[in-house]
Amino acid sequence: AQSVAQPEDQVNVAEGNPLTVKCTYSVSGNPYLFWYVQYPNRGLQFLLKYITGDNLVKGSYGFEAEFNKSQTSFHLKKPSALVSDSALYFCAVRDPSNTPLVFGKGTRLSVIA
Amino acid sequence: EPEVTQTPSHQVTQMGQEVILRCVPISNHLYFYWYRQILGQKVEFLVSFYNNEISEKSEIFDDQFSVERPDGSNFTLKIRSTKLEDSAMYFCASSVGLSSYNSPLHFGNGTRLTVT
Repeated sequence: AQSVAQPEDQVNVAEGNPLTVKCTYSVSGNPYLFWYVQYPNRGLQFLLKYITGDNLVKGSYGFEAEFNKSQTSFHLKKPSALVSDSALYFCAVRDPSNTPLVFGKGTRLSVIA
Repeated sequence: EPEVTQTPSHQVTQMGQEVILRCVPISNHLYFYWYRQILGQKVEFLVSFYNNEISEKSEIFDDQFSVERPDGSNFTLKIRSTKLEDSAMYFCASSVGLSSYNSPLHFGNGTRLTVT
């Protein structure tokens, strides 16, 4: 069965600095990988996905993520953090054999001015 | 931009009572899902629904749970006899196609269920 690990409960970064939110996964086949963001009192919003192709995926709001098959990782990155990026970030993985999307427990990103 | 809407935003119920959580998915979407998040824990899959039937369900989705699409627009989750451990945020989601391929899930804002 597939699983996702987000090793950090909380990430703090200063505004303007680069940010990384970590995610590792486990699936039996080639993974479909996603990042979602949750702002307070809102549902999860899709940020980006990796299905196939280039390992570096670009998404909404200047975020990108790098798929690393050997390390089974899909870390979320942004070159310059904004205070408005402060939110809860979820990594998710799906096994292509039609199993449901499985989420990590989330990482709270706090960007400090 | 079309949204998934969920009502109510917060539901308080007593243990043993039935609750119905309501969702209106995006109108041209074909797949519907319920997920839940117990406070501080993972977002957990409950059930997926397509073509008026359950396509997949998790171990959490036992006989106490049921889903229905009664009128072509609403998608409901019913818990027949709530337990304290059912307290969680319940998210409805929909997608045009299966969530793996060019069709990410669109989530509602959630219903916070509190069982006392």
